[in-house]
Amino acid sequence: LAKTTQPISMDSYEGQEVNITCSHNNIATNDYITWYQQFPSQGPRFIIQGYKTKVTNEVASLFIPADRKSSTLSLPRVSLSDTAVYYCLVVYNTNAGKSTFGDGTTLTVKP
Amino acid sequence: DGGITQSPKYLFRKEGQNVTLSCEQNLNHDAMYWYRQDPGQGLRLIYYSQIVNDFQKGDIAEGYSVSREKKESFPLTVTSAQKNPTAFYLCASSFQSDGYTFGSGTRLTVV
Repeated sequence: LAKTTQPISMDSYEGQEVNITCSHNNIATNDYITWYQQFPSQGPRFIIQGYKTKVTNEVASLFIPADRKSSTLSLPRVSLSDTAVYYCLVVYNTNAGKSTFGDGTTLTVKP
Repeated sequence: DGGITQSPKYLFRKEGQNVTLSCEQNLNHDAMYWYRQDPGQGLRLIYYSQIVNDFQKGDIAEGYSVSREKKESFPLTVTSAQKNPTAFYLCASSFQSDGYTFGSGTRLTVV
């Protein structure tokens, strides 16, 4: 099972681009990479999902290199409201229940 | 609106009691999950179910029980065998390999 590793914390300033990298060395061929955002005392919220190369939606981009052993969540022009914990999750396509959340990255955006 | 509902939001348990946390979804998702989150920690998988009348243990199933009699419902019972049940409990659902949809959580406290 692919274990994920992320930095424990990151600091940024309003208006900057933030890149959070996750490593998942044992990712399998059919696995997907997903990212979630969690505010205190709330359930995580799905941000983006990808399999390879680059995926972009209205809130973030996800970069996945060819070997898929890592991924980078990119948040453009962060604001104070982006202060949250961000989780990388590898979803096992054949048995999604085996997916395991890591400890996440606490992003603090400063004015 | 489609979503996943957890109740109650706060729950207090006396030592030696069993308590049941409710989780209902109207998203027509096949898979449902229960996670436990301790302060400052990531999410740990308790149980998951990929189909009605079937469920599997996650990483920390001891002291917990579940049932999946209906597609929409996946209640979690915290039994007296769970020695340290104080935590934030999150229910989630998913369809195939799509992202997870989480509920707003139940905060359980032992008094």
